[in-house]
Amino acid sequence: KQEVTQIPAALSVPEGENLVLNCSFTDSAIYNLQWFRQDPGKGLTSLLLIQSSQREQTSGRLNASLDKSSGRSTLYIAASQPGDSATYLCAVIYYGGSQGNLIFGKGTKLSVKP
Amino acid sequence: EPEVTQTPSHQVTQMGQEVILRCVPISNHLYFYWYRQILGQKVEFLVSFYNNEISEKSEIFDDQFSVERPDGSNFTLKIRSTKLEDSAMYFCASSSGQGAHNSPLHFGNGTRLTVT
Repeated sequence: KQEVTQIPAALSVPEGENLVLNCSFTDSAIYNLQWFRQDPGKGLTSLLLIQSSQREQTSGRLNASLDKSSGRSTLYIAASQPGDSATYLCAVIYYGGSQGNLIFGKGTKLSVKP
Repeated sequence: EPEVTQTPSHQVTQMGQEVILRCVPISNHLYFYWYRQILGQKVEFLVSFYNNEISEKSEIFDDQFSVERPDGSNFTLKIRSTKLEDSAMYFCASSSGQGAHNSPLHFGNGTRLTVT
């Protein structure tokens, strides 16, 4: 079964720390991998999209990497801030998946303490 | 920045009733989707819609569900004869003409459906 797993489920860090969130997927045959942020009671905000042919994407303090051979992606957040507190979701579209059939992980709930 | 808007933000209905969840996707997007998230669980794909027809639907999207794009701006999800287990957050999303294989999905803030 094609799945996405995220570890850890929750993470608490002091402000200013650099941190890494992990995502693993069961099949290397993917179109792309996306990282989202979800605030409590809110929708999902797209952070980064990495195409199957790419190794990484960067946006501001965020850097996402993709290693298809090992079925892993990491989201690196530099100099974390309290405003980064949210749940971070990883999602992939597997080959054979239709447009928009994203398979989501359960997320990592991040808390950045001032 | 353009955004996907969903109404209502919260809908309470009695078991057996029909509900319609409404969405206004980003205006120049061509692909539309519905997802749901049961409390404490993963976000799950329901259906994708392109060129006025369903592209794909998941096992969850059975005959109880239907989608429609009644005009040039709205995209609706109808749930007939609601059940307690339909209680969830329902998210609408859209993506550009390149589709989800090549461009990110933009999600609305969701409609929280509570079936009593």
